[in-house]
Amino acid sequence: DVKVTQSSRYLVKRTGEKVFLECVQDMDHENMFWYRQDPGLGLRLIYFSYDVKMKEKGDIPEGYSVSREKKERFSLILESASTNQTSMYLCASSPGTGGYGYTFGSGTRLTVV
Amino acid sequence: RKEVEQDPGPFNVPEGATVAFNCTYSNSASQSFFWYRQDCRKEPKLLMSVYSSGNEDGRFTAQLNRASQYISLLIRDSKLSDSATYLCVVSRSSGGYQKVTFGIGTKLQVIP
Repeated sequence: DVKVTQSSRYLVKRTGEKVFLECVQDMDHENMFWYRQDPGLGLRLIYFSYDVKMKEKGDIPEGYSVSREKKERFSLILESASTNQTSMYLCASSPGTGGYGYTFGSGTRLTVV
Repeated sequence: RKEVEQDPGPFNVPEGATVAFNCTYSNSASQSFFWYRQDCRKEPKLLMSVYSSGNEDGRFTAQLNRASQYISLLIRDSKLSDSATYLCVVSRSSGGYQKVTFGIGTKLQVIP
């Protein structure tokens, strides 16, 4: 069964901490994405990557960075966590672009206190 | 104006009922359309693609109306297990990439 695995289901961090969210996929997909999901706002794209070492900003990249050193791994970094980054973070991978066939991880519920 | 708009609901329907959701999109250059399903506290999963000619998968039918810029999802003979949030997804070319926009979702609650 194909999978996207996110390292933590729940995470509590303090304001100002550097936070790493890890995502690994086993489907050999080129494309990987990081979203955050908030009530009333839906899924918003933070960063995406279409290839190893490649990254592009999504709609809300401020306060975040990413790393893709290997094809299967896409990491999201919160440089200095703030309370407005409390959210559900979802990683996804897909064989193509354009919205088809996204496989999401089960999400990381991050709370910044 | 939002690029993708959905009525958040909830839609409360009895088992066996037929229910339909619409989703409107604002950019006429949109090319690809999908419905994803998200169960409570779970991740979204692809339900079906939406084609101009319509797309049917069992009790589910998806349609696209390019002239009026909306897509629809029809669920016949609703089951309790259909209770979920249904996300409309629209994509278009933008700056050499595909810009994919998710709607906020329509919540469906099927009642016994």
